[in-house]
Amino acid sequence: SAVISQKPSRDICQRGTSLTIQCQVDSQVTMMFWYRQQPGQSLTLIATANQGSEATYESGFVIDKFPISRPNLTFSTLTVSNMSPEDSSIYLCSVDQGAFNYGYTFGSGTRLTVV
Amino acid sequence: AQKITQTQPGMFVQEKEAVTLDCTYDTSDQSYGLFWYKQPSSGEMIFLIYQGSYDEQNATEGRYSLNFQKARKSANLVISASQLGDSAMYFCAMREKEDSSYKLIFGSGTRLLVRP
Repeated sequence: SAVISQKPSRDICQRGTSLTIQCQVDSQVTMMFWYRQQPGQSLTLIATANQGSEATYESGFVIDKFPISRPNLTFSTLTVSNMSPEDSSIYLCSVDQGAFNYGYTFGSGTRLTVV
Repeated sequence: AQKITQTQPGMFVQEKEAVTLDCTYDTSDQSYGLFWYKQPSSGEMIFLIYQGSYDEQNATEGRYSLNFQKARKSANLVISASQLGDSAMYFCAMREKEDSSYKLIFGSGTRLLVRP
């Protein structure tokens, strides 16, 4: 199964600043997904990133707040912009490996605290 | 509308006993996939088991099995011989197609605590 390296693993940021989270996959994948997990909550899909096209955002998430880049088939970034304490969450990237019995692989997550 | 429902916010089980975590889903698709993930306190998402909508047999992976009842739209996870290391959050998820892409939608999760 694919292996995802996600950075940073955690960060504490000042409100009003931005943080860029990176995910590097050890194999080429078509679709990458970005999730947010607020404290004590489930995972909520932010957007789907397909290489060579604009990311598709879920309801409640906008590109100005969560810009995503997907420059090639092994890499993606998510930026959390103009942060507020409400953005404090775990952010995870995920890939669809195409073989369902492997499941969707997730990065180790980025624990973001905004102060 | 909630597509994945996990009605048990928390569950206790005695070590070495079996436990069932409930999951119901809602979809109009004929082809879909159901997944269970484990999330320990470290935060990583660990894939446990997969069931395809056309699979006639219930999926099994070691101590994990999926009780798939298609007509009832339920996909309960059964953990046999519980171990202390099974204490974690468990999420049921469904793969659904929207437009030209597939995405994974999660339930609210069940926190399992295994008692020694």
